[in-house]
Amino acid sequence: QVTLKESGPGILQPSQTLSLTCTFSGFSLSTYGMGVGWIRQPSGKGLEWLANIWWDDDKYYNPSLKNRLTISKDTSNNQAFLKITNVDTADTATYYCARSRFTMMVLPFDYWGQGVMVTVSS
Amino acid sequence: DIQMTQSPPSLSASLGDKVTITCQASQNINKYIAWYQQKPGKAPRQLIRYTSTLVSGTPSRFSGSGSGRDYSFSISNVESEDIASYYCLQYDNLWTFGGGTKLELK
Repeated sequence: QVTLKESGPGILQPSQTLSLTCTFSGFSLSTYGMGVGWIRQPSGKGLEWLANIWWDDDKYYNPSLKNRLTISKDTSNNQAFLKITNVDTADTATYYCARSRFTMMVLPFDYWGQGVMVTVSS
Repeated sequence: DIQMTQSPPSLSASLGDKVTITCQASQNINKYIAWYQQKPGKAPRQLIRYTSTLVSGTPSRFSGSGSGRDYSFSISNVESEDIASYYCLQYDNLWTFGGGTKLELK
Protein backbone atom coordinates (compact mmCIF):
# COMPACT_ATOMS: atom_id res chain seq x y z
CA GLN A 1 0.00 0.00 0.00
CA VAL A 2 1.48 3.31 -1.12
CA THR A 3 1.11 6.26 1.23
CA LEU A 4 2.73 9.69 1.36
CA LYS A 5 2.55 12.37 4.02
CA GLU A 6 3.86 15.91 3.94
CA SER A 7 5.14 17.90 6.89
CA GLY A 8 6.21 21.51 7.17
CA PRO A 9 6.49 24.52 9.47
CA GLY A 10 2.88 25.72 9.17
CA ILE A 11 3.77 29.39 9.20
CA LEU A 12 6.90 31.32 8.35
CA GLN A 13 7.94 34.88 7.65
CA PRO A 14 8.78 36.52 4.33
CA SER A 15 12.38 36.02 3.18
CA GLN A 16 12.77 32.80 5.17
CA THR A 17 13.45 29.37 3.70
CA LEU A 18 10.60 26.89 3.58
CA SER A 19 11.59 23.29 4.30
CA LEU A 20 9.14 20.52 3.49
CA THR A 21 9.40 16.79 4.10
CA CYS A 22 7.55 13.98 2.34
CA THR A 23 7.57 10.68 4.22
CA PHE A 24 6.36 7.75 2.18
CA SER A 25 5.83 4.01 2.33
CA GLY A 26 4.98 1.24 -0.10
CA PHE A 27 7.77 2.06 -2.53
CA SER A 28 11.43 2.99 -2.43
CA LEU A 29 13.27 5.85 -4.06
CA SER A 30 16.19 3.48 -4.57
CA THR A 31 14.07 1.34 -6.92
CA TYR A 32 14.45 1.84 -10.64
CA GLY A 33 11.70 4.03 -12.07
CA MET A 34 10.44 5.59 -8.85
CA GLY A 35 10.16 9.30 -8.26
CA VAL A 36 8.56 11.90 -6.00
CA GLY A 37 7.19 15.24 -7.09
CA TRP A 38 6.05 18.34 -5.27
CA ILE A 39 2.95 20.27 -6.29
CA ARG A 40 1.33 23.26 -4.60
CA GLN A 41 -2.10 24.87 -4.59
CA PRO A 42 -2.98 28.31 -3.21
CA SER A 43 -6.36 28.33 -1.53
CA GLY A 44 -9.13 28.40 -4.14
CA LYS A 45 -6.68 28.25 -7.04
CA GLY A 46 -5.14 25.70 -9.35
CA LEU A 47 -2.29 23.22 -9.11
CA GLU A 48 1.32 24.12 -9.84
CA TRP A 49 4.07 21.54 -10.31
CA LEU A 50 7.26 22.53 -8.51
CA ALA A 51 9.90 19.81 -8.70
CA ASN A 52 10.55 16.10 -9.19
CA ILE A 53 13.32 13.76 -8.09
CA TRP A 54 14.00 10.30 -9.54
CA TRP A 55 15.51 7.11 -8.14
CA ASP A 56 18.81 7.91 -9.87
CA ASP A 57 18.90 11.37 -8.22
CA ASP A 58 17.96 13.12 -11.45
CA LYS A 59 16.13 16.33 -10.57
CA TYR A 60 13.75 18.58 -12.47
CA TYR A 61 12.40 21.98 -11.52
CA ASN A 62 9.65 24.32 -12.64
CA PRO A 63 11.58 26.83 -14.75
CA SER A 64 9.69 29.79 -13.26
CA LEU A 65 10.86 28.89 -9.74
CA LYS A 66 14.06 26.99 -10.45
CA ASN A 67 16.47 29.40 -8.78
CA ARG A 68 14.56 29.15 -5.47
CA LEU A 69 13.96 25.39 -5.30
CA THR A 70 16.07 22.48 -4.10
CA ILE A 71 14.75 18.92 -4.07
CA SER A 72 16.56 16.05 -2.37
CA LYS A 73 15.96 12.59 -0.95
CA ASP A 74 16.95 10.23 1.87
CA THR A 75 16.37 6.74 0.53
CA SER A 76 17.20 4.96 3.78
CA ASN A 77 14.42 6.81 5.59
CA ASN A 78 11.95 6.90 2.68
CA GLN A 79 11.82 10.68 2.58
CA ALA A 80 11.96 13.42 0.00
CA PHE A 81 12.53 17.07 0.73
CA LEU A 82 11.86 20.43 -0.87
CA LYS A 83 13.38 23.75 0.08
CA ILE A 84 12.09 27.07 -1.19
CA THR A 85 14.25 30.07 -0.47
CA ASN A 86 13.23 33.69 0.04
CA VAL A 87 9.51 33.01 0.47
CA ASP A 88 6.85 35.65 0.24
CA THR A 89 3.06 35.74 0.61
CA ALA A 90 2.64 34.30 -2.90
CA ASP A 91 4.11 31.04 -1.58
CA THR A 92 1.18 30.57 0.79
CA ALA A 93 -0.42 27.33 -0.34
CA THR A 94 -1.15 23.70 0.36
CA TYR A 95 1.88 21.68 -0.65
CA TYR A 96 1.50 18.11 -1.89
CA CYS A 97 4.00 15.40 -2.60
CA ALA A 98 3.09 12.65 -5.04
CA ARG A 99 4.67 9.55 -6.51
CA SER A 100 5.84 9.54 -10.09
CA ARG A 101 7.03 6.51 -12.01
CA PHE A 102 9.03 5.75 -15.11
CA THR A 103 8.58 2.50 -16.98
CA MET A 104 9.02 2.72 -20.73
CA MET A 105 7.72 6.29 -20.37
CA VAL A 106 7.10 8.76 -17.60
CA LEU A 107 3.81 8.08 -15.82
CA PRO A 108 1.84 10.90 -14.21
CA PHE A 109 1.49 11.33 -10.46
CA ASP A 110 -0.56 8.41 -9.14
CA TYR A 111 -0.48 8.48 -5.35
CA TRP A 112 -0.67 11.79 -3.46
CA GLY A 113 -0.22 12.86 0.12
CA GLN A 114 -2.96 14.68 2.00
CA GLY A 115 -1.16 18.01 1.67
CA VAL A 116 0.28 20.42 4.22
CA MET A 117 -0.78 24.05 4.53
CA VAL A 118 1.94 26.65 4.62
CA THR A 119 1.29 30.30 5.38
CA VAL A 120 3.81 33.05 4.77
CA SER A 121 3.03 36.06 6.89
CA SER A 122 4.82 38.78 8.77
CA ASP B 1 7.78 25.62 -21.24
CA ILE B 2 4.52 23.94 -22.24
CA GLN B 3 1.38 25.85 -21.33
CA MET B 4 -2.00 24.11 -20.86
CA THR B 5 -5.16 26.09 -21.57
CA GLN B 6 -8.15 24.40 -19.94
CA SER B 7 -11.75 25.36 -20.57
CA PRO B 8 -14.27 26.12 -19.38
CA PRO B 9 -13.20 27.38 -15.92
CA SER B 10 -16.60 26.37 -14.59
CA LEU B 11 -19.42 24.19 -15.74
CA SER B 12 -22.97 23.71 -14.55
CA ALA B 13 -24.70 20.39 -15.23
CA SER B 14 -27.77 18.44 -14.24
CA LEU B 15 -27.60 14.86 -13.04
CA GLY B 16 -27.48 12.56 -16.06
CA ASP B 17 -25.93 15.16 -18.38
CA LYS B 18 -22.82 14.66 -20.45
CA VAL B 19 -20.12 17.25 -19.89
CA THR B 20 -16.86 17.86 -21.74
CA ILE B 21 -13.72 19.71 -20.68
CA THR B 22 -10.94 20.59 -23.07
CA CYS B 23 -7.23 21.24 -22.71
CA GLN B 24 -5.05 22.73 -25.39
CA ALA B 25 -1.29 22.47 -25.11
CA SER B 26 1.06 25.13 -26.46
CA GLN B 27 2.80 22.39 -28.44
CA ASN B 28 2.35 18.73 -29.35
CA ILE B 29 2.37 16.65 -26.16
CA ASN B 30 2.20 13.25 -27.87
CA LYS B 31 -0.87 12.11 -25.91
CA TYR B 32 0.96 12.47 -22.58
CA ILE B 33 -1.98 13.99 -20.74
CA ALA B 34 -3.67 12.88 -17.54
CA TRP B 35 -6.89 14.02 -15.90
CA TYR B 36 -7.46 14.47 -12.19
CA GLN B 37 -10.50 14.98 -9.99
CA GLN B 38 -10.25 17.05 -6.83
CA LYS B 39 -12.89 17.45 -4.17
CA PRO B 40 -12.72 20.26 -1.58
CA GLY B 41 -10.10 19.67 1.08
CA LYS B 42 -8.78 16.56 -0.66
CA ALA B 43 -5.77 15.70 -2.77
CA PRO B 44 -6.26 15.25 -6.51
CA ARG B 45 -7.16 11.76 -7.69
CA GLN B 46 -5.90 10.46 -11.01
CA LEU B 47 -8.69 9.31 -13.33
CA ILE B 48 -7.09 8.96 -16.76
CA ARG B 49 -3.54 8.78 -18.11
CA TYR B 50 -2.08 8.73 -21.62
CA THR B 51 -5.10 10.54 -23.02
CA SER B 52 -7.66 7.76 -22.66
CA THR B 53 -6.42 5.01 -20.31
CA LEU B 54 -8.69 4.78 -17.30
CA VAL B 55 -6.75 4.05 -14.14
CA SER B 56 -7.95 1.30 -11.86
CA GLY B 57 -11.14 2.28 -10.07
CA THR B 58 -12.21 4.99 -12.52
CA PRO B 59 -15.86 4.51 -13.55
CA SER B 60 -16.50 3.91 -17.22
CA ARG B 61 -18.62 7.06 -17.52
CA PHE B 62 -15.31 8.97 -17.61
CA SER B 63 -13.45 9.13 -20.92
CA GLY B 64 -10.66 11.01 -22.63
CA SER B 65 -9.56 11.60 -26.19
CA GLY B 66 -7.33 13.76 -28.32
CA SER B 67 -3.99 14.06 -29.99
CA GLY B 68 -1.36 16.61 -30.87
CA ARG B 69 -2.21 19.79 -28.99
CA ASP B 70 -5.94 19.23 -28.37
CA TYR B 71 -7.49 16.96 -25.76
CA SER B 72 -10.87 16.46 -24.14
CA PHE B 73 -12.30 14.79 -21.07
CA SER B 74 -15.93 13.79 -20.74
CA ILE B 75 -18.29 12.54 -18.10
CA SER B 76 -21.40 10.86 -19.40
CA ASN B 77 -24.38 10.60 -17.08
CA VAL B 78 -23.06 12.98 -14.43
CA GLU B 79 -23.64 11.70 -10.92
CA SER B 80 -23.71 13.69 -7.68
CA GLU B 81 -20.35 12.22 -6.64
CA ASP B 82 -18.78 13.77 -9.77
CA ILE B 83 -19.24 17.31 -8.44
CA ALA B 84 -15.63 18.41 -8.08
CA SER B 85 -12.86 20.31 -9.83
CA TYR B 86 -11.01 18.67 -12.71
CA TYR B 87 -7.47 19.31 -13.92
CA CYS B 88 -5.48 18.19 -16.92
CA LEU B 89 -1.76 17.53 -16.60
CA GLN B 90 0.74 17.28 -19.44
CA TYR B 91 3.77 15.12 -18.72
CA ASP B 92 5.44 15.06 -22.11
CA ASN B 93 8.01 17.67 -21.13
CA LEU B 94 8.25 18.26 -17.42
CA TRP B 95 4.79 18.66 -15.90
CA THR B 96 2.18 21.39 -16.39
CA PHE B 97 -1.36 21.52 -15.04
CA GLY B 98 -4.28 23.18 -16.72
CA GLY B 99 -6.10 25.91 -14.84
CA GLY B 100 -8.92 23.64 -13.70
CA THR B 101 -12.66 23.30 -14.26
CA LYS B 102 -15.16 23.47 -11.43
CA LEU B 103 -18.18 21.26 -12.09
CA GLU B 104 -21.32 22.32 -10.27
CA LEU B 105 -24.89 21.09 -10.18
CA LYS B 106 -27.44 23.12 -12.09
